[in-house]
Amino acid sequence: SAVISQKPSRDICQRGTSLTIQCQVDSQVTMMFWYRQQPGQSLTLIATANQGSEATYESGFVIDKFPISRPNLTFSTLTVSNMSPEDSSIYLCSVSTRVSYEQYFGPGTRLTVT
Amino acid sequence: KQEVTQIPAALSVPEGENLVLNCSFTDSAIYNLQWFRQDPGKGLTSLLLIQSSQREQTSGRLNASLDKSSGRSTLYIAASQPGDSATYLCAVRPDDKIIFGKGTRLHILP
Repeated sequence: SAVISQKPSRDICQRGTSLTIQCQVDSQVTMMFWYRQQPGQSLTLIATANQGSEATYESGFVIDKFPISRPNLTFSTLTVSNMSPEDSSIYLCSVSTRVSYEQYFGPGTRLTVT
Repeated sequence: KQEVTQIPAALSVPEGENLVLNCSFTDSAIYNLQWFRQDPGKGLTSLLLIQSSQREQTSGRLNASLDKSSGRSTLYIAASQPGDSATYLCAVRPDDKIIFGKGTRLHILP
């Protein structure tokens, strides 16, 4: 299994600012993902964080808005840039092992943009 | 395109009852299927993982089944408790990325 921590757990931010969310895993993992969950909705994949190369973004998400870093196999950051109230969501870091392909999730970061 | 559907969207049952949550998917070409639990405002907790070659998995009061040919999975919860109240999500893995259903919001009445 994998234990994932995220910082911050929650934040309230002003429109137009940026927030960087950190994700730390207790073991080296190949696949790391970032999801968004808007109020009352299911999870939407933002991007796959690739170690040593640019992240792979899903349709509707762009690097300028959601820059992602992954400097090593245990850590990643997601930045939500130039925030608007529509960015208010829970942001979740997730990893998958190549052994069983079981997926694990962090506790999430609850973001409110005012 | 793979689509995952969960029925019902919400369910309320009295404490102590056994219940079944349903998940269906449109493409049987999957590596595995995973059931998660999510408490309000929290992350997801993995409950059960069923590999494509398996038919079911059990953990305590939970039993999940998988029928790839019909594109269906069920999550059976025995002797439900108020602490089981949460949203239950089903997800299938066709490749490196998993695809979620919209979830079933479960409320166990004390």
